[in-house]
Formats: sequence, structure tokens, C-alpha cells
Amino acid sequence: GAGVSQTPSNKVTEKGKYVELRCDPISGHTALYWYRQSLGQGPEFLIYFQGTGAADDSGLPNDRFFAVRPEGSVSTLKIQRTERGDSAVYLCASSAGTGGTEAFFGQGTRLTVV
Amino acid sequence: DQQVKQNSPSLSVQEGRISILNCDYTNSMFDYFLWYKKYPAEGPTFLISISSIKDKNEDGRFTVFLNKSAKHLSLHIVPSQPGDSAVYFCAASGGTSYGKLTFGQGTILTVHP
Repeated sequence: GAGVSQTPSNKVTEKGKYVELRCDPISGHTALYWYRQSLGQGPEFLIYFQGTGAADDSGLPNDRFFAVRPEGSVSTLKIQRTERGDSAVYLCASSAGTGGTEAFFGQGTRLTVV
Repeated sequence: DQQVKQNSPSLSVQEGRISILNCDYTNSMFDYFLWYKKYPAEGPTFLISISSIKDKNEDGRFTVFLNKSAKHLSLHIVPSQPGDSAVYFCAASGGTSYGKLTFGQGTILTVHP
């Protein structure tokens, strides 16, 4: 597709379980971002990839969160031992470059931890 | 520490009038600013941006103004249309991590017919 695609669109999981969220960026975009948005708040930065490597992971809240982008395209955000506080919309974005280029967002994955 | 703030949670405007959305930032390292629009159940959509070397950028009905000394930017929409009703986020980047966008909390704009 032409845009950023995220799957699944909704995910309900039990507390303590492991989840994976997938992001397919726009073809050719080298930069990929993960954000988390809670109700009534703006998106909160989690991690940013330039190619295959994580250029900035300062937003990951703790070591239960991990993200990979092994081939420089698709990325997976992994959350271990989920907690109810992890419930949010997880947004992925991609851009053609960095430093002054706009990022294009996917529709998000709504994660609910029960 | 909220580095980007949108102090108005909501704004209501009549169709055809001007909408002005405001945003303040505290980090003087920010040098690129963006506005995004978000409809329910969709991801944010890029609207317009401005670099710190400019004080104004215009795109059709949308104009962004940047006042660096006041660390303030605003988005003007004129004329406002009902389809503009959405949540508007300002975002900023710069400093040591250009890839990272810092967002404000958002302003809900409602344009009444």
C-alpha cells in the first residue's frame, strides 16, 4: 500500500502476556518511529530507527519494551509481561529522511491490557 | 516536563471565520515545527511545517507563524470549514535527536456550519 500500515488494528491481551505490534512503513522511507498515545494526550516518542539501527531509544519506558527493524523496512514493537498501564494506541510513522522532514503516521494499534 | 504545550484543550469556530491554534515550547534547541491533524480512529496527518529560519509558512488556507523570541507558534486556518473539525497537534524537533518529535497535548477544533 501507499501508506504506513500497522497490524493488528486492535489487540486485547491479558496482564502478564507478551505482545508484538507490526509496522510496515512507506516503501523507501529510511526512518521509522514508534509513538504511544494515551487518551487526551499527544503522541509520546518511544524509539526511532534509521535503517536497521535504533538511532534513539530514549523513549522506551523500561526493559519490557523492545523494537526491531532487522532489514530496514518492517518493524516490530515487542512488549513483555504486559501491564494495564501499557494500554494505549501505539503509532508508527516513517519518513524519507530526518531532521526537518515530515513523518507519515499509520492508523495505530489500540492495545488493551485486561 | 512538558516541552511543547497547547494550552487550549478546545476551540469552537463558525464556518467561514478564522481558527487560530496556539502552541508554546520551552526547549530552545527545537528548530523545526510541524502541525498534524487527527480524526478519530486514524493516525495523525501532516498538515504544515516551518523551519526556525522562517517566521511564516503558508499553504492554501493554512498558515503557520513562528515567534522564536517568544517560543510560540500558531496555526491559522482561514476560512474555516466543517471538515476542519479534528484534533490538532503541534510538534517540534531539533537538538541532539532530529528524528524525535515532541508533541503537544492537542487542541480539539470544532467548526460549526
